[in-house]
Amino acid sequence: QKEVEQNSGPLSVPEGAIASLNCTYSDRGSQSFFWYRQYSGKSPELIMFIYSNGDKEDGRFTAQLNKASQYVSLLIRDSQPSDSATYLCAVPGFQKLVFGTGTRLLVSP
Amino acid sequence: DTGVSQDPRHKITKRGQNVTFRCDPISEHNRLYWYRQTLGQGPEFLTYFQNEAQLEKSRLLSDRFSAERPKGSFSTLEIQRTEQGDSAMYLCASSKSDRAGELFFGEGSRLTVL
Repeated sequence: QKEVEQNSGPLSVPEGAIASLNCTYSDRGSQSFFWYRQYSGKSPELIMFIYSNGDKEDGRFTAQLNKASQYVSLLIRDSQPSDSATYLCAVPGFQKLVFGTGTRLLVSP
Repeated sequence: DTGVSQDPRHKITKRGQNVTFRCDPISEHNRLYWYRQTLGQGPEFLTYFQNEAQLEKSRLLSDRFSAERPKGSFSTLEIQRTEQGDSAMYLCASSKSDRAGELFFGEGSRLTVL
């Protein structure tokens, strides 16, 4: 089993809708979780991190963590075409950050 | 400081040649990482430095790959006897020790092996 799993997508949503991106992880001891956004042809950039069970909100972005289910998600409210990108979930491993394959999000005008 | 910089941005080489990439991290960051990314995949960990010490190296990294970080500043990643399977984007990232999950990536060095 991979350490971090994501659906590769693409996930297509209309402008203004809520986009929901999901990630599962295998290590029950993981304490922190990171979401990176990667535009086509660009490098990843950190957009959110969460350490505690529950929700963490930052503008239009909400990260949700459920440690019992080993599940972390990212919600993007009022999706914009500029949100079209690949979203990478990452979990700390030993001495490194382990990334999922990413979910490609397409927001149509 | 303008962030993590990598050089060259693009490198085309013939199979069997050696290539070297350079990374200059954010100055106050003491951790430096090298990742490799191919199309449709997430970044794959290669190696990690804390200051000048190389503390972790992926088992996937063959002995053709070597990385250095002299004096804990810039880092180089060398690939010897390149193979077509080495074609990828090589990403460098840096972070502070107490914020190890908050990586700042450079623009990457794209390698094409013909």
